[in-house]
This record gives sequence, structure tokens and C-alpha cells, in this order.
Amino acid sequence: GAVVSQHPSWVICKSGTSVKIECRSLDFQATTMFWYRQFPKQSLMLMATSNEGSKATYEQGVEKDKFLINHASLTLSTLTVTSAHPEDSSFYICSARDFPVDFFGQGTRLTVV
Amino acid sequence: GENVEQHPSTLSVQEGDSAVIKCTYSDSASNYFPWYKQELGKGPQLIIDIRSNVGEKKDQRIAVTLNKTAKHFSLHITETQPEDSAVYFCAAPPGYSSASKIIFGSGTRLSIRP
Repeated sequence: GAVVSQHPSWVICKSGTSVKIECRSLDFQATTMFWYRQFPKQSLMLMATSNEGSKATYEQGVEKDKFLINHASLTLSTLTVTSAHPEDSSFYICSARDFPVDFFGQGTRLTVV
Repeated sequence: GENVEQHPSTLSVQEGDSAVIKCTYSDSASNYFPWYKQELGKGPQLIIDIRSNVGEKKDQRIAVTLNKTAKHFSLHITETQPEDSAVYFCAAPPGYSSASKIIFGSGTRLSIRP
């Protein structure tokens, strides 16, 4: 299947700083990418839909100014967690759509200390 | 909106036995149904999918069946092995467009007993 590369796989940052997570589709172009957050032993919670060349669509309750999404090319979307706090610590996962299939990245474990 | 229910939430089977996970969906417009396997600390991996014009699809030890009338689809794993231990998610996109967000089931934690 297609490959989606997500980096970094884990990151530790200090409270108040910003962290950028990259999601790349390596062998296909993805007009649409998605960002999820996953809490322990729970299903994936969609945060936002990232559309190439346009603004992201955020799910209800997700702060767009805190979770900045940029989809500048057909193979790259980035999620920036701004002014991170301990409650932002979580597992973040991206997916890229090669319609109708969604391929997922490896996930990023964010720990805010 | 679309709702996907998945059962059971946990499943323990003896190595070599079969495992079955079931999902139901609500949106009759859904016509693509993927299954994902997620190992600890990793992203979900697509293991098999089925489209609505097909009632069954098989790939080695894994099969998926779809009953569009009843709006349910199932994952079947035969001859289970230790490496099958993981969390499995079913999913269904409402409608069928390139921008539709997919709705995931709540997941099934499968454990294979040696």
C-alpha cells in the first residue's frame, strides 16, 4: 500500500513552546489529509481536515489558533501545536487520502513537560 | 450523521482459532468499508477493505463480509497467530466523496492466547 511518513515519532517539549509535526505522502499526491488525536485505549478523534491550498476544516471543540494546520503542497501537511501545555500531551496521527483509501502515518507521541 | 458501532470491545482467542469482529453503520450512502489494525504505539494500518458492490473479500487469513441490507460488515481472521494481537478498527465514510471524513468504530482489542 501507499506510504505516509510522519515525523517526529516522539517529541518532548517544554510548556509554552510550539511543536511542529509533519505528515508526508511519499508515493502519491493527497489533496486531503486528516489529523487525529488519540487518547489511551480510545478510538481516533478527528481534529481537522487539511485541504491542499485552502484553510483546514476543524472539528467542533478544536481550537484552530492552538492547532495550526498548513497543507502547502500535495504531499505535505503540518500540524503545529502552539503554546503547548501538559494537557496537550497525546498521540497525534495523520492520514492522507488516496481516494477512497486513507493511509496513516506512524503517529507522534507528544509529551509536554 | 454516520454512526459506526463495533463489537466486541475486547476479544481473546486461542492461537489457531478464528476471531470475528462486527460493525454496523447507519448511513445507507456509505459504500466503502476499510478495516485497520493498530499495534501499540503505531498508527493504524489498512489490512483489508470492501466496496458495496461486493459481498465478501478474502486476503489469505483475513476476510471481510458485507451485508448492505442490514448495514453491517464483519472482519474474520482465521488460524490466528500471536502477531494478530492488536486493536482493530472498522470505519465507514458517510457518502462517497474525496473530502468525506471517515467514522471509526470504537475498536476491538484482540488478544491471542498461546
